[in-house]
Amino acid sequence: EAQVTQNPRYLITVTGKKLTVTCSQNMNHEYMSWYRQDPGLGLRQIYYSMNVEVTDKGDVPEGYKVSRKEKRNFPLILESPSPNQTSLYFCASSLDPPGAGGYNEQFFGPGTRLTVL
Amino acid sequence: AQKVTQVQTEISVVEKEDVTLDCVYETRDTTYYLFWYKQPPSGELVFLIRRNSFDEQNEISGRYSWNFQKSTSSFNFTITASQVVDSAVYFCALSGNGGSNYKLTFGKGTLLTVNP
Repeated sequence: EAQVTQNPRYLITVTGKKLTVTCSQNMNHEYMSWYRQDPGLGLRQIYYSMNVEVTDKGDVPEGYKVSRKEKRNFPLILESPSPNQTSLYFCASSLDPPGAGGYNEQFFGPGTRLTVL
Repeated sequence: AQKVTQVQTEISVVEKEDVTLDCVYETRDTTYYLFWYKQPPSGELVFLIRRNSFDEQNEISGRYSWNFQKSTSSFNFTITASQVVDSAVYFCALSGNGGSNYKLTFGKGTLLTVNP
């Protein structure tokens, strides 16, 4: 089954404790992206990746890191989480970038609800 | 910079009513793509439609229809004969092919509640 998976689905942590949220897709998509969803703000893009070893900032990258060492995986790293990073996080992938036409509709993972105390 | 405004924050209707969700966008790109996504109460995000800036034809898919008007920078979504299962948050999104080619900008969403 074609899908995007995220782990963990739920996480409660404390300020400053490094964490990683994993994202994996099995559709051989080149484009992957991370978003955060906050009440009243919709979804905002954190980072995206065009392909292996190619990543770039979205609209709200502060406090986050990403890496793309393999095509299928795109982990989101919070080196020193803070309470303002409490949010619902979505990973997404598509064959082509959103603005490039082709197969550019994004497939989303189930979301990771993160709470930073 | 690109921007998406979803006019209604919340809409509440009674089953079988028609409802329209309005989306207005801003972009400097000449080629761009518009999307609608649905987020039901279970939380997942479901792709509904994609429209490119060169195709202004309206689209109908069952009870769903979309009206794209470049002149008013709008991409509105209508549900005909709404059903309780249509209750969800709906997001409009935009991506251009210029410097923002690789970014997808979402509106803040419209919460639609369909009451029986």
